[in-house]
Amino acid sequence: EVQLLESGGGLVQPGGSLRLSCAASGFTFSSYAMSWVRQAPGKGLEWVSAISGSGGSTYYADSVKGRFTISRDNSKNTLYLQMNSLRAEDTAVYYCAKSIVVVPAATYYFDYWGQGTLVTVSS
Amino acid sequence: DIQMTQSPSTLSASVGDRVTITCRASQSISSWLAWYQQKPGKAPKLLIYKASSLESGVPSRFSGSGSGTEFTLTISSLQPDDFATYYCQQYNSYGWTFGQGTKVEIK
Repeated sequence: EVQLLESGGGLVQPGGSLRLSCAASGFTFSSYAMSWVRQAPGKGLEWVSAISGSGGSTYYADSVKGRFTISRDNSKNTLYLQMNSLRAEDTAVYYCAKSIVVVPAATYYFDYWGQGTLVTVSS
Repeated sequence: DIQMTQSPSTLSASVGDRVTITCRASQSISSWLAWYQQKPGKAPKLLIYKASSLESGVPSRFSGSGSGTEFTLTISSLQPDDFATYYCQQYNSYGWTFGQGTKVEIK
């Protein structure tokens, strides 16, 4: 059974930093791309970032480019999202999602999702 | 980025009704479209991929159709467990985007 467990969320001041983690189990982690998708309170879904199975390719939404960094440790079956220079508009539940890559275009959709971790950016 | 627009935003229906949700893309996305179901406080769940392929374990009352810029999600006979919010997502091109969601409510 695929399981994804996010952690690391919390309250942070504007301009601060936070690192999210997602522990994966139930599948061969290194064989799959992974993504982060967020949902602001009462709003819809927004894709944030993605990473290939090897970690060699990374992708970012324009809204977080230059501030967020996605990474993975395949030896620990764990996905990360380092978030710097946080803004109020980054307040959301952050989901990690196992991703299916459509070749050759390398585009992604999401077949399993974690339960999410809430990030609140406020002074 | 490709914009995805769902209609309606809210839909009121009764158990047993046939329900159709529409998703329109701002440019052609071929058949690279997924549908998700989300219940309050829960993670989204994949229902349909490649516009019409049913994800394993998803009840057959769910179906998807369309290509290019217009797509539909149909629930053939609405069940109590189906009251939720539904999202479409394009994965034709980088910058993968979701529709704003359609909430299916009890009439």
